Amino acid sequence: NAGVTQTPKFRILKIGQSMTLQCTQDMNHNYMYWYRQDPGMGLKLIYYSVGAGITDKGEVPNGYNVSRSTTEDFPLRLELAAPSQTSVYFCASRLTDKAFFGQGTRLTVV
Amino acid sequence: GENVGLHLPTLSVQEGDNSIINCAYSNSASDYFIWYKQESGKGPQFIIDIRSNMDKRQGQRVTVLLNKTVKHLSLQIAATQPGDSAVYFCAEISGGTSYGKLTFGQGTILTVHP
Repeated sequence: NAGVTQTPKFRILKIGQSMTLQCTQDMNHNYMYWYRQDPGMGLKLIYYSVGAGITDKGEVPNGYNVSRSTTEDFPLRLELAAPSQTSVYFCASRLTDKAFFGQGTRLTVV
Repeated sequence: GENVGLHLPTLSVQEGDNSIINCAYSNSASDYFIWYKQESGKGPQFIIDIRSNMDKRQGQRVTVLLNKTVKHLSLQIAATQPGDSAVYFCAEISGGTSYGKLTFGQGTILTVHP
């Protein structure tokens, strides 16, 4: 089991560019999540999914989009990157109460 | 409300002391309350959880207490070690209309001095 895999690990974007952060899990977990974590701060929920085909907004969804066409994959899309989206992004998945996290994607928008 | 822009509170202890980390929550409809540990440069790691119908749960060197009357959660770490130094977050899994939503509290930086 690879667990939760995020790609890329690092990325620098220019203002206005778009990109997709990839997240895949091989544990057959129903629930998947995207968080952002600003330096020295907590984790803020962007979007989550309770199963394939179902997604819901979290606390800070503006500027992001998600899709969940399969159980394994939960990509996060940034359409028009802004400096305020500079952060570390974590993907997580869970089956029951215990969530597993990826190693994170460090994104800088300049 | 949310303390946007404020950095995490800190707790410093000596090795061997017991540590208590506190968390306030607001959602009465949560099914589970969970504690996570985050080391520098890594994703959060599950420590222990408690169902909403319980008030205490013990693990190895850790105990979680839940007080639903005042919406308070605490994590007690016995005989704290330098390897326990990390950021600790409480989290909750929602029930009801936000079923499955996993949200995190503010977090506390624990520093253990040898």
